[in-house]
This record gives sequence, structure tokens and C-alpha cells, in this order.
Amino acid sequence: EAQVTQNPRYLITVTGKKLTVTCSQNMNHEYMSWYRQDPGLGLRQIYYSMNVEVTDKGDVPEGYKVSRKEKRNFPLILESPSPNQTSLYFCASRSAGQGAYEQYFGPGTRLTVT
Amino acid sequence: AQSVTQPDIHITVSEGASLELRCNYSYGATPYLFWYVQSPGQGLQLLLKYFSGDTLVQGIKGFEAEFKRSQSSFNLRKPSVHWSDAAEYFCAVGPISTLGRLYFGRGTQLTVWP
Repeated sequence: EAQVTQNPRYLITVTGKKLTVTCSQNMNHEYMSWYRQDPGLGLRQIYYSMNVEVTDKGDVPEGYKVSRKEKRNFPLILESPSPNQTSLYFCASRSAGQGAYEQYFGPGTRLTVT
Repeated sequence: AQSVTQPDIHITVSEGASLELRCNYSYGATPYLFWYVQSPGQGLQLLLKYFSGDTLVQGIKGFEAEFKRSQSSFNLRKPSVHWSDAAEYFCAVGPISTLGRLYFGRGTQLTVWP
């Protein structure tokens, strides 16, 4: 089954404790993205990647890092989480193929930073 | 800068009534347009999409949307709402030049009265 998976689905952590949220897709997609969703703000893009070793900042990259060492994986790293990073996070992927413009979303990771 | 506006934060309709959710975008050229739905506690599900061609597009669950270039709008409609349609709806825009990026509106929360 074609899908985007994220782990963990729920995470409660404390300020300053480094964490990683994993994202993996099994569709051989070139493009992958991370979004955060906050009430009243919709989804905002954090980082995106156009292929292995190619990443770029989205609209709200501060406090986050990403890496794309393999095509299928795109982990989101919070080196020193803060309470304002409490949010619902979504990973997404899409193909670079002609006409393949739809993004596929993972189930989301709800992060709470205390 | 690209922007997506959903003017209605919250809409309440009675079951069986018609529905129209508004979406306007700001971009120099015609982008790719999407509507997503998010049920409580769930991820994002694609309702429909517009890339080119016929400006009236049909989606899943009986939804349709009409692209109006002159108004930079992509409004979502359903002729008869069901209680299960209660959810949050997001309009999203993917400018052609930005490939992997997707810009979301802030969402419209739909409540359905029995």
C-alpha cells in the first residue's frame, strides 16, 4: 500500500531535549516536505526536499533541522525544543513526474513540549 | 508573496442544505489548486484538485469545485450536506514554479446541524 508513515504519532517532551520525528514514504517520490499545523493558522511549511541531499527552508524553519540522506526518509530534528514548537506535524511527499502534483500526507505527529 | 485566503473561519449548515466554502489565492500565474478535508483527530484527505482544463472539477464524497481565473477563486461546493461532512476544510495552492511547495489557507471549520 502506498503511504507516508511518521513516528512517533504522539510525543510529550521537555524543553531542550533533542528529538527526531521520522518520516518515510514507499512511493519513490522525489519531493518531501514537513508542515506544522496550529489552530487558526492552517498548515505552514517548515522544510522541503527536492531529492536526496537537496533541502530548502519553508516558511517557518527556525528551530528545526532536516536531512535527506535516502530518498525514502526525511526526518525532522528539533535540537532544542521549546514550548512554541508544540504543534501537529505532517510529513508529505509527491512525485516529480509530469502531471504528478498531488501531495500525499502522513497521519501526523502531535508534539507537546513542556 | 503567495497567499491563500479562506474568509470563513467557521460555517454552520443544516443537514441536507447546500454548502459553499470560499477560497481565494494570490499568485501571478494559475497554480495548481487543491481542497483537503481533515476530520477530528485525523490526517488530511484530498477531496479534489485542479491542474488545467475544465474549470469545474469533481471530487470524492460528492464535492465539486469551480476555478474562476478572473476572481482568483477556487470555491468548494456540495449540493446536500451530510452530518459526516463535519470537519475542517483546507484550500491549498501549489504554484507551478515552486514544485514541491504547497501553501495552505487557514481552514474553514464546518459544523452540520441534524
